Amino acid sequence: GESVGLHLPTLSVQEGDNSIINCAYSNSASDYFIWYKQESGKGPQFIIDIRSNMDKRQGQRVTVLLNKTVKHLSLQIAATQPGDSAVYFCAENMRGVTGGGNKLTFGTGTQLKVEL
Amino acid sequence: DAGITQSPRYKITETGRQVTLMCHQTWSHSYMFWYRQDLGHGLRLIYYSAAADITDKGEVPDGYVVSRSKTENFPLTLESATRSQTSVYFCASGLEHDTQYFGPGTRLTVL
Repeated sequence: GESVGLHLPTLSVQEGDNSIINCAYSNSASDYFIWYKQESGKGPQFIIDIRSNMDKRQGQRVTVLLNKTVKHLSLQIAATQPGDSAVYFCAENMRGVTGGGNKLTFGTGTQLKVEL
Repeated sequence: DAGITQSPRYKITETGRQVTLMCHQTWSHSYMFWYRQDLGHGLRLIYYSAAADITDKGEVPDGYVVSRSKTENFPLTLESATRSQTSVYFCASGLEHDTQYFGPGTRLTVL
């Protein structure tokens, strides 16, 4: 079936460096993508989203890049801070899929560890 | 500014008992969702609702029942709890084809 996956289960970076978290998706019909951050013991928190008519979107210290040709999504975090340590999930939504409605398909997550 | 809340936050129950997890949102979002999160499986959709009185199954609906009589509430009931239903449960809400916002979760242990 269709799936969303992450290339690296764990990513360690030094404080102040930039982080890049990758995600591969397999459904070419997916038209909306979201990145979530989940800290230990908490619910997933929305970070940034992007629709398929865009290649790049920037937020505060975060940038999401979408490459539809290779079905790849990435989250870039600038000047990574200790508070960025968490699990990051990508999710995709397939518009127009019968019964799909607003359902999201989630990847299993990447653990980001920030070293001081 | 409560957003989306879940109760209880922690629950321990025994096999065979009925358990209801509550979810309440203050945004008037049309869509609401229930997920379970287990190690190695990520987030899996149990049930979702597009509007009041409209519900549909997700990926793992067996053993669960939902209702949505009011837009703001979406309770999840385990009719006869089993050990395999030990998990962390997240409720989420959102608008059509838009971001889903998650609650803080309920950690359920079935003994």
